[in-house]
Amino acid sequence: KAGVTQTPRYLIKTRGQQVTLSCSPISGHRSVSWYQQTPGQGLQFLFEYFSETQRNKGNFPGRFSGRQFSNSRSEMNVSTLELGDSALYLCASSLGTGEAKNIQYFGAGTRLSVL
Amino acid sequence: GENVEQHPSTLSVQEGDSAVIKCTYSDSASNYFPWYKQELGKRPQLIIDIRSNVGEKKDQRIAVTLNKTAKHFSLHITETQPEDSAVYFCAAMDSGGSYIPTFGRGTSLIVHP
Repeated sequence: KAGVTQTPRYLIKTRGQQVTLSCSPISGHRSVSWYQQTPGQGLQFLFEYFSETQRNKGNFPGRFSGRQFSNSRSEMNVSTLELGDSALYLCASSLGTGEAKNIQYFGAGTRLSVL
Repeated sequence: GENVEQHPSTLSVQEGDSAVIKCTYSDSASNYFPWYKQELGKRPQLIIDIRSNVGEKKDQRIAVTLNKTAKHFSLHITETQPEDSAVYFCAAMDSGGSYIPTFGRGTSLIVHP
């Protein structure tokens, strides 16, 4: 099975711009979660999608949004970028239901730099 | 909501020594505790997990222990090797409730040859 794929791997944007990141989960996985990783802050949860619906949401401002498509692929959008948005954005997929629903598999991440 | 504290933030050991990383959680409903290893520039990868119906689980040189009463769990790595150098994250979740784990802030383990 192919793993979780995130595109692009690197992005450079300027303040005020918007950006869209993409995540393709492992085949058969219906849950996709997004995390922001910065040095010293660990993994900060953004939101989780299951069957095209946002099922859980973290404490991030409304500039951060996402969606999930019928094939379980997910996108994350950040509008009006700020310098503090520079981070590694990770997505993780899981089955979402059943015994192994909680086991998350991570993508390699998208490194976003805001100048 | 759940809160996970992880200590230490940095751990430096000599090759062959043991390493222990400790985590505490706040929500007594949490019943699933995974550990992830993230090597420099790579994705976090699940290395071991434990559910609340067991107190200890081993996989070769790594083991995890869980004390539900005290709400803490630990990762033990024996006979450390330089390739064990990485950031380790613990997490806790209620598998019957929220579908996402709460992560600790990570421990940077450095194994000196």
